[in-house]
Amino acid sequence: DIQMTQSPSSLSASVGDRVTITCRASQNIASYLNWYQQKPGKAPKLLIYVASHLESGVPSRFSGSGSGTEFTLTISNLQPDDFATYYCQQNYGTPPFTFGQGTRLEIK
Amino acid sequence: EVQLGQSGGGLVKPGGSLRLSCVASGFTFRDYTVNWVRQAPGRGLEWVSSITSSSSYKYYADPVKGRFTISRDNAKNSLYLQMNSLRPEDTAVYYCARDRDLYGDGGLDYWGQGTLVTVSS
Repeated sequence: DIQMTQSPSSLSASVGDRVTITCRASQNIASYLNWYQQKPGKAPKLLIYVASHLESGVPSRFSGSGSGTEFTLTISNLQPDDFATYYCQQNYGTPPFTFGQGTRLEIK
Repeated sequence: EVQLGQSGGGLVKPGGSLRLSCVASGFTFRDYTVNWVRQAPGRGLEWVSSITSSSSYKYYADPVKGRFTISRDNAKNSLYLQMNSLRPEDTAVYYCARDRDLYGDGGLDYWGQGTLVTVSS
């Protein structure tokens, strides 16, 4: 199975900052990488699909990049609503479609 | 409006069984692959199972293989997860979620509200 490793596990930042979260796959997954945001007690929300495509309705301050085994999620000009936990997920080939362990973004 | 409404969670003893349901509305359910994803208390997301549009293919995570069964009824716009031989480590919030596109390339775009399954004596 493909393993997904996110870094950092947690991150403190201030409103207006730019932050980057990294996700590494244990093997080449081309661009089959998605990013989700989850707030406490809520279902995850799809932000980015196929590595760099912004889901409809998601603010343009969110962006994704990468291919192969290394991917990044960048949030520019952090807003109060952005403080949450972020997960990557690979969907290369057939399941299992594993998630990263999550990155908790906290207010500094 | 696309919606996924879940039911069926609760408290069950180890070794017991439970059936989760997910009813879809606002889209052509029979065209989409749908999934179950779970989240243990205070932990991350774990993909559990997927079923393709016509039930031709079913996939399971190793920890649930042989114990859980995914199924769907396209006439009722419904997805199910039959969970047998439940273990304490199956305790989690279970979400149903839809593949974003018909080819499975785009992640999971709509999610149910989640239902808590607690396995405890």
